This record gives sequence, C-alpha cells and structure tokens, in this order.
Amino acid sequence: KQEVTQIPAALSVPEGENLVLNCSFTDSAIYNLQWFRQDPGKGLTSLLLIQSSQREQTSGRLNASLDKSSGRSTLYIAASQPGDSATYLCAVFNQGGKLIFGQGTELSVKP
Amino acid sequence: GAVVSQHPSRVICKSGTSVKIECRSLDFQATTMFWYRQFPKQSLMLMATSNEGSKATYEQGVEKDKFLINHASLTLSTLTVTSAHPEDSSFYICSARVATSGQINSPLHFGNGTRLTVT
Repeated sequence: KQEVTQIPAALSVPEGENLVLNCSFTDSAIYNLQWFRQDPGKGLTSLLLIQSSQREQTSGRLNASLDKSSGRSTLYIAASQPGDSATYLCAVFNQGGKLIFGQGTELSVKP
Repeated sequence: GAVVSQHPSRVICKSGTSVKIECRSLDFQATTMFWYRQFPKQSLMLMATSNEGSKATYEQGVEKDKFLINHASLTLSTLTVTSAHPEDSSFYICSARVATSGQINSPLHFGNGTRLTVT
C-alpha cells in the first residue's frame, strides 16, 4: 500500500529565506508526483507535476525534484514571501490509477 | 484552461437529511472524476473513483449506500451524502482528469471544495 509522508508538518520562516519541503513515498512504482498548494478552507492549486521519467521541474521561484528509486521528492521555494503561506501537499499517482496524498506541510512566512 | 467547478461551496444541513454536491468540468470532458474527503488538519483521503456511464469504485471503508455517486455525463459527477450525521461534517473535494486517450498520467484538476456541516 502506497504511503506518502511529508516532513516537516509545519514550518515558520522569515521572509526572504529559501526553504525545502520534503516528501517521501513507499512504493516507487508511480506515474508521476505532483505538488499542490492549499489555502485555508480552499481547494487545491497545482504547482508542479513531475513525470516518473523526469528528475525535476521548475516554475518561477519553485523547483521540485524527484528521486524515484529512493522514493523522495523535494519542493524548493526561493526567496519566500508572506503570500507563500499555505499548506503544501505532495501527491503521487500510483500505477493503481489513484492519487495518494501526504498530510501536508503548513508553511508560514513572516514579514 | 481545465476548470473544475464544485457547488455548493458551503452547506449546513440537519442530521438525517441528504445533501448533493455537484462537480462540473467547465471546459473539458472528464471520463474519470475522483471524490476526496478532508478532515481538519488532515490530508485528502480518496473516497471513490467515478467513471462516466458506470458504477463508481469505492475505497475500502467508504459506505457506497451512504455516499451515492452519479457520473451521468462527461462533464458532471454528483456526490450525495444520504442521511447525514455530524460525523459526516468535512471538506469534500472533487477532481477530474481530461479525457484524452492513453493519458492516464495527465494531471488532475481540482474543484474548490464543499464545506459540509451537519448539525
């Protein structure tokens, strides 16, 4: 059974700092891995999607890496801003055709 | 592109009543939609997979007679919470995949969720 774990559960940083969020998964047989952002009481916004054959994806200040063999992904946020405050969710699309989520990292960026 | 609309965004109902939540793909066709439930401070848990024109596939532990799913068209799936109880209070989110042949690993697009409160 696929399990997705995110560390840390919560993170508070001062504005401008670079930070890394971690995601690990137990079954490396995945199609892709996706990072989402969720604001309180809201739905999900897709940030980056990495196919199983890819190593990383970049969008603006965000960079996500994937090491499928070790079951790990990281989301790197450069020059963090207060507007980045949200919960970040990692999810893997496994070969059973389901998107399995981690429990998220709640990020707070202090001005 | 790829917008998923979920309605209502919030609903409060009395215990014992039924509530219907709609999930629509506005600018694309979706053969498959997924329904998730999220309790406070927890992650999204997959409840069921909804396929157009066929019965939904429910995850272990999810009561199919309590959470009725209908996917009658390529742009609409509904989740009906029947005889709701306070423990059904949660955030329900749907997602949809663009119906492109062979693209099983294409990204999912999510609705904005429905906050259900059962009193």
